Amino acid sequence: GENVEQHPSTLSVQEGDSAVIKCTYSDSASNYFPWYKQELGKRPQLIIDIRSNVGEKKDQRIAVTLNKTAKHFSLHITETQPEDSAVYFCAASGPASGYSTLTFGKGTMLLVSP
Amino acid sequence: GAGVSQSPSNKVTEKGKDVELRCDPISGHTALYWYRQSLGQGLEFLIYFQGNSAPDKSGLPSDRFSAERTGGSVSTLTIQRTQQEDSAVYLCASSPFSGRDNEQFFGPGTRLTVL
Repeated sequence: GENVEQHPSTLSVQEGDSAVIKCTYSDSASNYFPWYKQELGKRPQLIIDIRSNVGEKKDQRIAVTLNKTAKHFSLHITETQPEDSAVYFCAASGPASGYSTLTFGKGTMLLVSP
Repeated sequence: GAGVSQSPSNKVTEKGKDVELRCDPISGHTALYWYRQSLGQGLEFLIYFQGNSAPDKSGLPSDRFSAERTGGSVSTLTIQRTQQEDSAVYLCASSPFSGRDNEQFFGPGTRLTVL
């Protein structure tokens, strides 16, 4: 089945800096890659996703890039703010699950200091 | 509208007891998922329901775990003979269609503590 590795496990940045979180996946046929944000004590929420027919997608201060050849995708957050502090999860969906379920990475705790 | 709800929010039980966790998905959502989230771990997939199809149980860690979904809506996750390693937050999510390439909407979770 699919395997998703996520790095780093923790990331500390100063407010205004950029943050990058990277994920790799094992199934070359996977074609859907969402990112979820989980604030402390709250439920995970989708923040951005990308499909394998595009290489990059942006939404204000966040962007995701996908390299299908290398089987990795990354989340980029620019001009970080304290409210960006949360755990971020990447995920992948592929044929092993009939494209119906997600395999999640173990998460990255992002701490943005004022 | 109302989001995904779960009950109870917290459950403390003794080792060996059975527990039932409930999930109410968003009305009209046909796909329902259960995940387990342990400290420092990601979201571990447990089981997936889609409409009236047979559930995908491939993520259930042992035969002590089972789940059902009645009437295509409410779901119950049952853990029999609980063990301390079952302690975790159990999250439920629903999705409007088949789940494929669709956002999953998560509930607030049930924190299970097995003493």
